[in-house]
Amino acid sequence: DAGVTQSPTHLIKTRGQHVTLRCSPISGHKSVSWYQQVLGQGPQFIFQYYEKEERGRGNFPDRFSARQFPNYSSELNVNALLLGDSALYLCASRHDRLAGGQGNEQFFGPGTRLTVL
Amino acid sequence: KQEVTQIPAALSVPEGENLVLNCSFTDSAIYNLQWFRQDPGKGLTSLLLIQSSQREQTSGRLNASLDKSSGRSTLYIAASQPGDSATYLCAVTMYSGGGADGLTFGKGTHLIIQP
Repeated sequence: DAGVTQSPTHLIKTRGQHVTLRCSPISGHKSVSWYQQVLGQGPQFIFQYYEKEERGRGNFPDRFSARQFPNYSSELNVNALLLGDSALYLCASRHDRLAGGQGNEQFFGPGTRLTVL
Repeated sequence: KQEVTQIPAALSVPEGENLVLNCSFTDSAIYNLQWFRQDPGKGLTSLLLIQSSQREQTSGRLNASLDKSSGRSTLYIAASQPGDSATYLCAVTMYSGGGADGLTFGKGTHLIIQP
């Protein structure tokens, strides 16, 4: 069974541009979350989507947006890129939002490395 | 606001040693705690998940404990091997009651096992 997949693997953009990152969850998982990880830090929560609805947002500006599609895949969009947006963007999926037991375990994809010049 | 701290920030030990990584969190009202491993430039691999009602979980040479009331968790690695070298991250999920339940991470412990 395939794990969480993300595309692209690497991306180089310039300041002011827009970027779209994509994520496909593990089959059967309905919850997708996005995280930003800058070098030397732990990941920071950006968004969580469940059943195509936004269920939570971290402390990120409105330049960051996301959506989830009927097949539970997701896109993260970042507008007006800044140098500080350079980071590893991680997507995680979970079987069911706050379901009991191991259904709460989050599984991460390999990430998209974004470099803003 | 939940804050997660991991000690030590870095650790280097000879192969074969048993070791303990520490994680503390400021708000004990967590739903669960998860330990991850991250290799350089890679995504996160889930190691162990402990529900708030549990005291410990074991997987192979790994054992994680949780003391929710004191806001602490430990990850015990037995008979360490060079392949265990990685950054280990601790993360908690808050009991949101319908709100956001993203993970809050520590900064990680960078572990090097010397052959």
